[in-house]
Amino acid sequence: EAGVAQSPRYKIIEKRQSVAFWCNPISGHATLYWYQQILGQGPKLLIQFQNNGVVDDSQLPKDRFSAERLKGVDSTLKIQPAKLEDSAVYLCASSLDASIGRIYGYTFGSGTRLTVV
Amino acid sequence: QQQVKQSPQSLIVQKGGISIINCAYENTAFDYFPWYQQFPGKGPALLIAIRPDVSEKKEGRFTISFNKSAKQFSLHIMDSQPGDSATYFCAASPSGYALNFGKGTSLLVTP
Repeated sequence: EAGVAQSPRYKIIEKRQSVAFWCNPISGHATLYWYQQILGQGPKLLIQFQNNGVVDDSQLPKDRFSAERLKGVDSTLKIQPAKLEDSAVYLCASSLDASIGRIYGYTFGSGTRLTVV
Repeated sequence: QQQVKQSPQSLIVQKGGISIINCAYENTAFDYFPWYQQFPGKGPALLIAIRPDVSEKKEGRFTISFNKSAKQFSLHIMDSQPGDSATYFCAASPSGYALNFGKGTSLLVTP
């Protein structure tokens, strides 16, 4: 089974620039998550999708972050404009279904490491 | 606001020893408690998980102990090996919602 694919692996941008991350979840996984992991901390949820609908985006800084999941498969996360404090690893995860994700767990991608200078 | 509090921040254990990591939570709606293992440059991977209707779950060298009344749960790694050196995260979630992660414990197992 192919894992969760994320690209790019690394990105360096200047503050105030924009950046986009892409995620391809495991085939058939209905639930997709974007997490932000700042160095030395645990992952923090940004947004949860169920198919192509948003379940929870309460912690997404909507003034600068946006995310979409077209056709309930791939997803993109965008930051515009970026700030220094956005430097982090952005992790995408998917699960078969949020209600039974607890049984199979999430599968995380390797993440995109963003550095804002 | 950290919904899951994890300790210690770092841990050094000799090979063959027992590694113990603790977590506490406040939200009584949480009903799923997994532990994840993360190696540098990789995403977290599910290690073991428990639901609040049991007090202990064991898989190989890894055991979760769960105390519902105290709202605490812990991970025990028996016979710790150098290959177990990684960062461990506890997490919790209510039904149907995303995981809330602790801040992580960096474990180093010395030869």
